[in-house]
Amino acid sequence: QQQVKQSPQSLIVQKGGISIINCAYENTAFDYFPWYQQFPGKGPALLIAIRPDVSEKKEGRFTISFNKSAKQFSLHIMDSQPGDSATYFCAARPFSGGYNKLIFGAGTRLAVHP
Amino acid sequence: GAGVSQSPSNKVTEKGKDVELRCDPISGHTALYWYRQSLGQGLEFLIYFQGNSAPDKSGLPSDRFSAERTGGSVSTLTIQRTQQEDSAVYLCASSFPGPGRETQYFGPGTRLLVL
Repeated sequence: QQQVKQSPQSLIVQKGGISIINCAYENTAFDYFPWYQQFPGKGPALLIAIRPDVSEKKEGRFTISFNKSAKQFSLHIMDSQPGDSATYFCAARPFSGGYNKLIFGAGTRLAVHP
Repeated sequence: GAGVSQSPSNKVTEKGKDVELRCDPISGHTALYWYRQSLGQGLEFLIYFQGNSAPDKSGLPSDRFSAERTGGSVSTLTIQRTQQEDSAVYLCASSFPGPGRETQYFGPGTRLLVL
């Protein structure tokens, strides 16, 4: 069974701090790793994504770090803001040549306190 | 353009009744997905439609669950003889197929409560 394990389950960060969420996967047959952000009452929305041929991708305050040998990837939110308070899901797509099914982690509920 | 829409937004039903949940994907998206999100949990994959290919039904939890997609657009998820454990948010997403166009766009979900 292909799985993606996400931690921590919840995270509290002070405004201006760094939020770090980690994910690990159990096999190497994944070719796409997105992070989704979900606000209460809304559906998840793509935040940032990475492919396994790069080790880091940065978009504004959000950075994905990818460690292929360790089968781990993480989301870093720099200068965290109260507006970042949401649930974050990592995901992985099994290599499939175009088949787009995603396997999601269990989610991390982030609270950024002012 | 319009995003993914789902209806109803909320549904309360009695145990044993059948329910139908509707999803309108983004125009032009040939892939459509259904997920279930239980309270405080992650997204559980249910079913995936891709164009005219046979759907991937591997995530459907029991034969009480079924889904269809008519005309390659609108999809309906049907739950027969609902049980209390079916209470959850049912999310629909759509996407273009193929490399470089993998982003799944989610609707707001249907919150189902089975009494």
